[in-house]
Amino acid sequence: DAKTTQPNSMESNEEEPVHLPCNHSTISGTDYIHWYRQLPSQGPEYVIHGLTSNVNNRMASLAIAEDRKSSTLILHRATLRDAAVYYCIRHTGANSKLTFGKGITLSVRP
Amino acid sequence: EAQVTQNPRYLITVTGKKLTVTCSQNMNHEYMSWYRQDPGLGLRQIYYSMNVEVTDKGDVPEGYKVSRKEKRNFPLILESPSPNQTSLYFCASSRGASVPYNEQFFGPGTRLTVL
Repeated sequence: DAKTTQPNSMESNEEEPVHLPCNHSTISGTDYIHWYRQLPSQGPEYVIHGLTSNVNNRMASLAIAEDRKSSTLILHRATLRDAAVYYCIRHTGANSKLTFGKGITLSVRP
Repeated sequence: EAQVTQNPRYLITVTGKKLTVTCSQNMNHEYMSWYRQDPGLGLRQIYYSMNVEVTDKGDVPEGYKVSRKEKRNFPLILESPSPNQTSLYFCASSRGASVPYNEQFFGPGTRLTVL
């Protein structure tokens, strides 16, 4: 049970921003939200994580709703290389287990 | 280059023939983990290790063994493989188990087919 809900797929145009939504309505106060992505034929790759505040790094931004029941991963300018499956994950345990759901498949049109 | 390596990358074997998939990381990470990825089921954790000589079961440990004798290595052992262990396997490592140290680095994967 991944305990997060994401759409199955999304399409974007190259060089446009992309907003990938995630619902985690049962999140507890100490759960972090992590995003990983998996490019075709590769292992998952860390993207970003956050707890309450919005977060930015070189890859993306993470906007977390005030009630923490949802979050949005923002890719500011999609490139063809960003086509991947994006996983929104709740980190709930001390063993650092990542419970991956089905993720959202992002397609980027040239 | 900081990385997690796995060998072999591809393996076809037969039921019951013992095999080992190696995993090695060069980042001095304490935490290591094995996952399997199956269509429709996502990635599921098999075993994990918080440090040398410390291992524990994940969600799907049946049919697998692991060991952590050295910090850098975390081999996955299938004593008697069965066809239901046909899968894509990933090894991962991180500095620690808790935020902010738990960014996991994944290996390239090992595709195992058991006939």
